[in-house]
Amino acid sequence: EVQLLESGGGLVQPGGSLRLSCAASGFTFSKYAMSWVRQAPGKGLEWVSGISGSGAATYYADSVKGRFTISRDNSKNTLDLQMNSLRAEDTAIYYCATAQHYGNFFDYWGQGTLVTVSS
Amino acid sequence: DIQMTQSPSSVSASVGDRVTITCRASQGISSWLAWYQQKPGKAPKLLIYAASSLQSGVPSRFSGSGSGTDFTLTISSLQPEDFATYFCQQAKSFPLTFGGGTKVEIK
Repeated sequence: EVQLLESGGGLVQPGGSLRLSCAASGFTFSKYAMSWVRQAPGKGLEWVSGISGSGAATYYADSVKGRFTISRDNSKNTLDLQMNSLRAEDTAIYYCATAQHYGNFFDYWGQGTLVTVSS
Repeated sequence: DIQMTQSPSSVSASVGDRVTITCRASQGISSWLAWYQQKPGKAPKLLIYAASSLQSGVPSRFSGSGSGTDFTLTISSLQPEDFATYFCQQAKSFPLTFGGGTKVEIK
C-alpha cells in the first residue's frame, strides 16, 4: 500500500526557514517523480515544486522560485522541501504527492502538514 | 504559465441531479487534464485523468470530456457523498496549475 507521510510543519516567523519531509513507502520510490502541493486556509490548490525520480530535474512555481528547494534521498525514501525567506502568504497545508499511473496526474497524496508563517 | 479557469465557483444541487463543471485552459493542453474531489480536512482524490479516463475505484457516475482548451466534469446522478469541492489540473507543462475549484453544495 502506497503511503506518504509529511512532517516538519509548524509556526515560523516571517523571514524564517522550515524544512518539510515526506516519508514514502509501499512503492519503488526512485522510479517516480514527486511533488509538493499546498493549500492556503480556505483556498484552492497550488502546485509548489516537483522533482524527477532520479532527482536530476527539479521544477518550481514562480511564487517560490529562489526561496524553496526540493530534494530527495532515494536511499531513505524521503522527499524534502527546504523553505527559506518565508512569507505570510506561504501559510498553507503542504501535501506531498506522486503520480504513479500516468503523466503528472496525482493519484497518491499524503495527509498534509500545516505551515503557519506569522509573528 | 497555463491558467486554468473553472466555473461555476459553486453550485447548489439535490441528490439525483446531474451536475456539470467546466474548466478552461488559457492555451491548448490536448488531453492533459485531471479532475480531483476534495472533502473538508482531507487530501484531494483523483477522479479523472487524461481528460476522460476514470481512475480505478471511482464510481461510473463521474465522467470527463473535452480536449484542447475546454473540459467538462459531469456527475450523472449526484449522491450524498459527492458533496465536496472539485478541482481541475493541467499536466501539460510545468508549472502545473489547478483551477480555482467548484464547491458542490446541498440544495
